[in-house]
Formats: sequence, structure tokens, C-alpha cells
Amino acid sequence: AQRVTQPEKLLSVFKGAPVELKCNYSYSGSPELFWYVQYSRQRLQLLLRHISRESIKGFTADLNKGETSFHLKKPFAQEEDSAMYYCALSALGQGAQKLVFGQGTRLTINP
Amino acid sequence: DAGVTQSPTHLIKTRGQHVTLRCSPISGHKSVSWYQQVLGQGPQFIFQYYEKEERGRGNFPDRFSARQFPNYSSELNVNALLLGDSALYLCASTPRLEATDTQYFGPGTRLTVL
Repeated sequence: AQRVTQPEKLLSVFKGAPVELKCNYSYSGSPELFWYVQYSRQRLQLLLRHISRESIKGFTADLNKGETSFHLKKPFAQEEDSAMYYCALSALGQGAQKLVFGQGTRLTINP
Repeated sequence: DAGVTQSPTHLIKTRGQHVTLRCSPISGHKSVSWYQQVLGQGPQFIFQYYEKEERGRGNFPDRFSARQFPNYSSELNVNALLLGDSALYLCASTPRLEATDTQYFGPGTRLTVL
């Protein structure tokens, strides 16, 4: 079974502090993992995906297959990072590609 | 490109009624997926269509159905609405059917069932 777990529903940090949003997954195949973000009154949009190995808006995420984790990190939080963050696993099975999402973490950056 | 578009933005229905939601994918994208997002939870996969054929279905009852048209736009239909169907319905499009493909989401249709 495919499952994504984000253990923190809410996370609050001060501006300039490091941020880590946790994501753990369960998947029998080779995982394709994504972080999506939803800013206030905007649509769900891709933040980054593990296959690209890139840093977007200062965020990075490393896939750790041993710990089945894909945590999102940023060394210095900014107020504009306040948003809802979803970790998602892309499962390709029986001819369909579906995203399995975690519950989401609401990140609030305090000034 | 306006991105993925969905209509209507909001909808209020009563129990037992039927609803149709519409989605237009990004130009050139052949795959459309539908997700249901209940308040406080992440989106949950309902359907995927690719080249006008259903390619996958999530754990939803037969009251939920969908189709994709020759121009790759899609409709999601829900019959015999229940209070629990109240949710944000998201449409997403991708150019192909690869696990590495990014799904691009529309703004959603907020359905309220009274």
C-alpha cells in the first residue's frame, strides 16, 4: 500500500530560523516524491521534486530510502514561506499515475 | 496559457441531487486527474483519464463518474449527493503518463452539500 505521513499538522517558527517539514512514505516500488505548496488564496503548485535535485526558494529535500523519508528543509525561514505544504508520492500502477498526498503541514513564520 | 481551469468555482447542492464539474487542461496535456480534498486533509485521488480512456480509479463509490472529451477537457459527475461529498474538487493535468511527471492543478471547485 502507498502511504505518505506528515506528522505535524502545524509548525510555527520565527523568521530567520531553520525549518524542517517531515515526510515519511510507504511504497514497495521506486518512489517518485514531490513537495507541493499552497499559498493563501492560490492553487496547489509544485515546489520541488526529488528527481530534479534542485533548490527552489531556498528549500531542499533529500530522499532517504533507508529511512523512507523526504523531509523538506530551509536554513533561514522567511515570512513569505507561510503556507500549506503537502508531501506527495507518485505511484504508477495499472496504467494510471496518481499522487498520494500526506495530510499537509501548515507552516507559519512569525516575524 | 491560463493553466488548468475549472468551473464552476463554487457550487451548493442538496442531498440526493446530481452535480457536474468541469476541467480544461493545459494546452498539449493529454491526461486529466481528479482529486477530492476534504477540509483538513490532503487531496485524495478519484480518477485519471488519458487519451479519453479511464486509466485509474481511486476508492470512491460508483456514484462518482467522469469522462474525457476529444479536446482533452473532462467532466466529473457525482450522483445522489451525500453530505460527505462536500469538499474541494481539484483537477490536475499532465502531458503524459509518467511517474516523474508533474501534475499541474486547477483552482478547484468548492462543492457544498446541504
